[in-house]
Amino acid sequence: EVQLVQSGAEVKKPGESLKISCKGSGYSFTSYWIGWVRQMPGKGLEWMGIIYPGDSDTRYSPSFQGQVTISADKSISTAYLQWSSLKASDTAMYYCARVVAAAGTRAFDIWGQGTMVTVSS
Amino acid sequence: EIVMTQSPATLSVSPGERATLSCRASQSVSSNLAWYQQKPGQAPRLLIYGASTRATGIPARFSGSGSGTEFTLTISSLQSEDFAVYYCQQYNNWVFTFGPGTKVDIK
Repeated sequence: EVQLVQSGAEVKKPGESLKISCKGSGYSFTSYWIGWVRQMPGKGLEWMGIIYPGDSDTRYSPSFQGQVTISADKSISTAYLQWSSLKASDTAMYYCARVVAAAGTRAFDIWGQGTMVTVSS
Repeated sequence: EIVMTQSPATLSVSPGERATLSCRASQSVSSNLAWYQQKPGQAPRLLIYGASTRATGIPARFSGSGSGTEFTLTISSLQSEDFAVYYCQQYNNWVFTFGPGTKVDIK
């Protein structure tokens, strides 16, 4: 079964650092881009960026460039999303999702279960 | 930057009725358009990609159409499990953008 399994919920204080993970299984992890998507409480979906685990090529949404770092360790089929200094406004559910390339386009076909990040003093 | 809009924000439909959801792009995205369904407490699920191709395992009552800037998701006969929020998403030149969503609820 193709799946992405994310790390568990986190509660952090403003200014702290954090790295959450997304482990792929059931497919060739190095052959598909992995994306990260933010969903703030009660709000819609926002694309943050994508990474190609095969060579760590990374593309960021302009809205998130410089705010987060996306990385991957292909040896353990895991992608990461990290913050160096969290803010209360980073409180959200974060999803990783596999990017499928088909019919000349790209979409997110397999999603992780989400990681809830709560930042509060 | 391509901006996606969706209408209506909320659509009230009775079970068995047809639902038509609209998505508009601020500039042409060709057929680089996908639709997702999200139920409360769940991750989104891919329904349609390439504007009109159903993803694996998606029932035939879901169909997508359009190209350029205007797109439609049609649910031919709403089932109880279809009440959810639906998002469109465009892909262009390594940038993905989601629309704000349409909530389909029970009339």
